[in-house]
Amino acid sequence: DGGITQSPKYLFRKEGQNVTLSCEQNLNHDAMYWYRQDPGQGLRLIYYSQIVNDFQKGDIAEGYSVSREKKESFPLTVTSAQKNPTAFYLCASLPLAGGGGKEAFFGQGTRLTVV
Amino acid sequence: AQSVAQPEDQVNVAEGNPLTVKCTYSVSGNPYLFWYVQYPNRGLQFLLKYITGDNLVKGSYGFEAEFNKSQTSFHLKKPSALVSDSALYFCAVREAGAGSYQLTFGKGTKLSVIP
Repeated sequence: DGGITQSPKYLFRKEGQNVTLSCEQNLNHDAMYWYRQDPGQGLRLIYYSQIVNDFQKGDIAEGYSVSREKKESFPLTVTSAQKNPTAFYLCASLPLAGGGGKEAFFGQGTRLTVV
Repeated sequence: AQSVAQPEDQVNVAEGNPLTVKCTYSVSGNPYLFWYVQYPNRGLQFLLKYITGDNLVKGSYGFEAEFNKSQTSFHLKKPSALVSDSALYFCAVREAGAGSYQLTFGKGTKLSVIP
């Protein structure tokens, strides 16, 4: 089955540690996104990538890093510089071929908790 | 910069009554508009989209939305609400043909359908 997979579903991190969230898609989509979701604040864009080896900062990129070495994968690292990392993280992908207007597909999310 | 506003944090409606979830947007050019639904601790599921053409678009589960360019709105509607429609609803916008695929979401509206 084609889809977008985020792992793990739940993640616990000690303060001061870096942690990496995985996002993999087998939909052959060009663009991939990372969003952070907090109660009452909706989805805020962290980073997005339209092509391999290229990515752009979103609205809240500070304290996060990404890489796009393969089309299928877009891992997000939450660094120790992110002061309030506890949140629900969502990954999405979007096909760019065939013209605009396509909808994005979402993974099931990773809930990160700092302990 | 593009933005989405969902003016109601919560909408309550009785089962069987019509429902409306409001969304207004701001983009420099023409918009692509989307509605998504989220159930607790899950990713977002696509409901419907406006790309071009008919201002009334129909989507999954009996939902529809009306694009109004003069009011920059894209309200989600359903003629008869079901208890199972209770969820968090997000409106999103992307600028058409901009060369950038940044997808911006509103803060979400919690819909509660009361039996």
